[in-house]
Amino acid sequence: IAGITQAPTSQILAAGRRMTLRCTQDMRHNAMYWYRQDLGLGLRLIHYSNTAGTTGKGEVPDGYSVSRANTDDFPLTLASAVPSQTSVYFCARKGPFIYTFGSGTRLTVV
Amino acid sequence: DAKTTQPNSMESNEEEPVHLPCNHSTISGTDYIHWYRQLPSQGPEYVIHGLTSNVNNRMASLAIAEDRKSSTLILHRATLRDAAVYYCIGNTDKLIFGTGTRLQVFP
Repeated sequence: IAGITQAPTSQILAAGRRMTLRCTQDMRHNAMYWYRQDLGLGLRLIHYSNTAGTTGKGEVPDGYSVSRANTDDFPLTLASAVPSQTSVYFCARKGPFIYTFGSGTRLTVV
Repeated sequence: DAKTTQPNSMESNEEEPVHLPCNHSTISGTDYIHWYRQLPSQGPEYVIHGLTSNVNNRMASLAIAEDRKSSTLILHRATLRDAAVYYCIGNTDKLIFGTGTRLQVFP
């Protein structure tokens, strides 16, 4: 089944460390997104990319960066993690009208 | 992006129909109405979407008000597996999630 692959599934990270969350799609759709979901809350958009080579800021971009070197990969980087970035991170891609989400990366910053 | 308003929670018994309301009074004429749901410990999954006409698929039906300021997601026969948070989203460019409606289904 076509979809989104995220890695790692979970990670405990020391504050101040750098971390890259990986996201890969297998349908070569143009638009991809990164969301974070804090416990008991809805998803908030961090960054997005409408096509390879372009990126944009979402609702909560501070402390995060993304790149889109090719169509399939959309990594999210935390340059210097802080405890407030403890969250579940979801990557998504947009097909014709329908968005497909990955299973998420549970990140704990201690 | 349209601001959406949904009840925080709803309850249903198994096998009964469920009507989940959503207000999106600021929606533009070209924004689609999307519904996604999130089961526990999973990413959101697509349920249904529409623009002006009522829509049906194997999961649910979407009834859109004539003025497009509100819509209702209809689960015809709720099952325990339908217990989830349901999100109504009104835009076309990218999904901006609100807080959604937490649906509880009782046996």
